[in-house]
Parts: sequence; structure tokens; C-alpha cells
Amino acid sequence: EAQVTQNPRYLITVTGKKLTVTCSQNMNHEYMSWYRQDPGLGLRQIYYSMNVEVTDKGDVPEGYKVSRKEKRNFPLILESPSPNQTSLYFCASSLSSGTGLQYFGPGTRLTVT
Amino acid sequence: AQSVTQLGSHVSVSEGALVLLRCNYSSSVPPYLFWYVQYPNQGLQLLLKYTSAATLVKGINGFEAEFKKSETSFHLTKPSAHMSDAAEYFCVASGANNLFFGTGTRLTVIP
Repeated sequence: EAQVTQNPRYLITVTGKKLTVTCSQNMNHEYMSWYRQDPGLGLRQIYYSMNVEVTDKGDVPEGYKVSRKEKRNFPLILESPSPNQTSLYFCASSLSSGTGLQYFGPGTRLTVT
Repeated sequence: AQSVTQLGSHVSVSEGALVLLRCNYSSSVPPYLFWYVQYPNQGLQLLLKYTSAATLVKGINGFEAEFKKSETSFHLTKPSAHMSDAAEYFCVASGANNLFFGTGTRLTVIP
């Protein structure tokens, strides 16, 4: 089954404690992306990757890092989380950028206290 | 840069009534346009997409949308609402390397 998986689905952490949210897709997609969803703001892109070792900033990259060492994985790293990063995070992938047909993961709800 | 405006953050309709969710985009060149749906506690899934092949686009679950260049609109409609349509709906425009999301419209269906 074609899918995008994220782990963990729920995470509560404290300010400053480094964390990683994993994202994996099994569709051999080149393009992967991270979004955060906040009430009244829709989804905003954090980072995206066009292919292995190619990443770029989206609209709200501050406080986040990503890496793309393998085609299937695109982890999101928060090196020093802060309460304003409390949000619902989605990973997505697609065959190529700009086509819009993105497959979304189930989401990770992060709370930073 | 693209921007997408969804009119109405909340829409309520009675079961069996027409669903109309409004979306306007800004661009000198019509982009690819999409509607995604998000059911409670789930990720987003594609309802339909416009890629310039036809102005009236049919999607899943009886939804359709009409691209109107003169109005820069891409409104989503369904003739008869069902309880299972209750969800949040996002109008989305594509850019070169990313997607631009509207702020979403939460649809409530009243029995």
C-alpha cells in the first residue's frame, strides 16, 4: 500500500530538548515536504526536498532542520524546541514538485511545554 | 507569489442541501488548483484537481469545482450534503516548488 508514515503521532516535550520526527514514503517519490498546521492559518511549508541531498526552506523554516540522505526518508529536527512550535505537523511526498498531487502522512501532534 | 483566499472559515448546511465552498486565487497565470479534504484526526487527501484540461472538474464523493479565470475563482460544490462530508476543506494552488494553502473551511452538516 502506497503511504507516507510519520512517527511519533503524538509527542509532548519540554523546551530545549532536541527531538526528531521521522517521515518515510514507499512510493519512490523525489519530492518531500514538511508542513505545520495551526488554527486559522492553514498549512504552511517548513522545508522541502527535491531529491536526495537537495533541501530548501519553505515559508516558516526558523527553528527547524531537515536532512535527505535517502530518497524514502525526510526527518524533521527541532534542535531546541520552543512553545511556539506546538503544532500539528504533516509530511508529504509527490513524484515531482509543483504537480500538487501530494500524499500526506497522518500527522504528528507536538506539544512543547 | 501565489495566494489563496477561502471565504468563510465555517460553513453549515443541512443534510441534503447544496454545499458551496468558495475559493479565490491570485495569479497572472492560472496555476494548478486543488481541493483537499481533512477528516477529523486524519491527514489530507485530494478531492480534485484542475490542470487546465477542463474548467469543470469532478472529484471524489460527488464533489466538483469550476475554474473561472475571469473571476479567479475555483469554488467547490456538491448538490446534496451528506453527514459524512463534515470535514475541513482546503483550496490549494501550486507554485514552482511548493503548494499554497488557503486557511481552510470547516463544513458542518446538520441532520
